[in-house]
Amino acid sequence: DQQVKQNSPSLSVQEGRISILNCDYTNSMFDYFLWYKKYPAEGPTFLISISSIKDKNEDGRFTVFLNKSAKHLSLHIVPSQPGDSAVYFCAATGSNYKLTFGKGTLLTVNP
Amino acid sequence: GAGVSQSPSNKVTEKGKDVELRCDPISGHTALYWYRQSLGQGLEFLIYFQGNSAPDKSGLPSDRFSAERTGGSVSTLTIQRTQQEDSAVYLCASSSGLNGNTIYFGEGSWLTVV
Repeated sequence: DQQVKQNSPSLSVQEGRISILNCDYTNSMFDYFLWYKKYPAEGPTFLISISSIKDKNEDGRFTVFLNKSAKHLSLHIVPSQPGDSAVYFCAATGSNYKLTFGKGTLLTVNP
Repeated sequence: GAGVSQSPSNKVTEKGKDVELRCDPISGHTALYWYRQSLGQGLEFLIYFQGNSAPDKSGLPSDRFSAERTGGSVSTLTIQRTQQEDSAVYLCASSSGLNGNTIYFGEGSWLTVV
């Protein structure tokens, strides 16, 4: 049973446009959410996070939105750049240790 | 060190052989995790260490898998009698263990069982 779901395995956008990556979760005990970015042959790197007490967190071109009632979060990248092309993983935790990951979304930003 | 270090970065082994994967966490990080990513799959939790103890081993797929951590630092993941379905990238991560912490990953050990 997947507790964290990323229903779009891939997304393609034009450089300069907005990329929106979506994530849904089922476990209401999750209270902290993270996005990781992964390039081929590298480990995931932390991108941005959000606590359940907030509904938005922004860091430069990256913004994460959380809708707790819908158990949904999204990552917005504006403007998208070719270097953003990677696999993006959504992760959630309800404790201070174990992260549960989605299967990832491959983002391709076309020049 | 500056980041999480894993070795070997790549390992090809014959079915039935044992393998050991090593992880050096970020200095001072008390929490250490092993995850696995198989082809086309997300990151699968294997085991979590707090210090030298493993309060959560629930993700280990079978009794062929074991892990230990010594000195609150280095961890070794051992896979005995490897099978082809063990082929994956094994990722180690560490964190400060504080609530709301960020988990930092190593580059992974790519295991291929032939």
